[in-house]
Amino acid sequence: GQSLEQPSEVTAVEGAIVQINCTYQTSGFYGLSWYQQHDGGAPTFLSYNGLDGLEETGRFSSFLSRSDSYGYLLLQELQMKDSASYFCAVRGDDKIIFGKGTRLHILP
Amino acid sequence: SQTIHQWPATLVQPVGSPLSLECTVEGTSNPNLYWYRQAAGRGLQLLFYSIGIDQISSEVPQNLSASRPQDRQFILSSKKLLLSDSGFYLCAWNFQGTAYGYTFGSGTRLTVV
Repeated sequence: GQSLEQPSEVTAVEGAIVQINCTYQTSGFYGLSWYQQHDGGAPTFLSYNGLDGLEETGRFSSFLSRSDSYGYLLLQELQMKDSASYFCAVRGDDKIIFGKGTRLHILP
Repeated sequence: SQTIHQWPATLVQPVGSPLSLECTVEGTSNPNLYWYRQAAGRGLQLLFYSIGIDQISSEVPQNLSASRPQDRQFILSSKKLLLSDSGFYLCAWNFQGTAYGYTFGSGTRLTVV
């Protein structure tokens, strides 16, 4: 079967750094993506890792280790607007499988 | 550039009534198209995906169906809604043959009463 595991909730302080982990088990692997979803909104694409290593986009970075079936999303200089749910997603075969999401709470 | 349109934004329907949600993509050809459902506070459940006209794969057996009558049009339907069909329905697309990410439509919030 295919599965993705990520923590259900994470809490961090404004201005700090937080890491959201994702482990996966899929038949076939063609990349790991991250999405952000604010309450009431649709998910928006944040980042993609097709190869091992770190990808950086502004305050957000994403990492992938294919040998460990593991990735993470790193958010730096947290802002209150980063309060949202974050989903990891893995492309396998013809479709993308999503994790159940991590709710990020940010304290002032 | 590519855009995805999904409507309606909100819908309240009685149990047993039919459903039709529509999604269209502009600015690209032969996209992969997807329908997802998200229950309140939950993850994304893949319902249907399509790699071409009249090519639909169903992930979850239920009283919903999908159709793709045109290359860039994807429709989600039901003949008789159930209370359990309530949720946030999202259409998404990505390029054929790519592992790159999805672009989601703005979603339809369906409440079955």
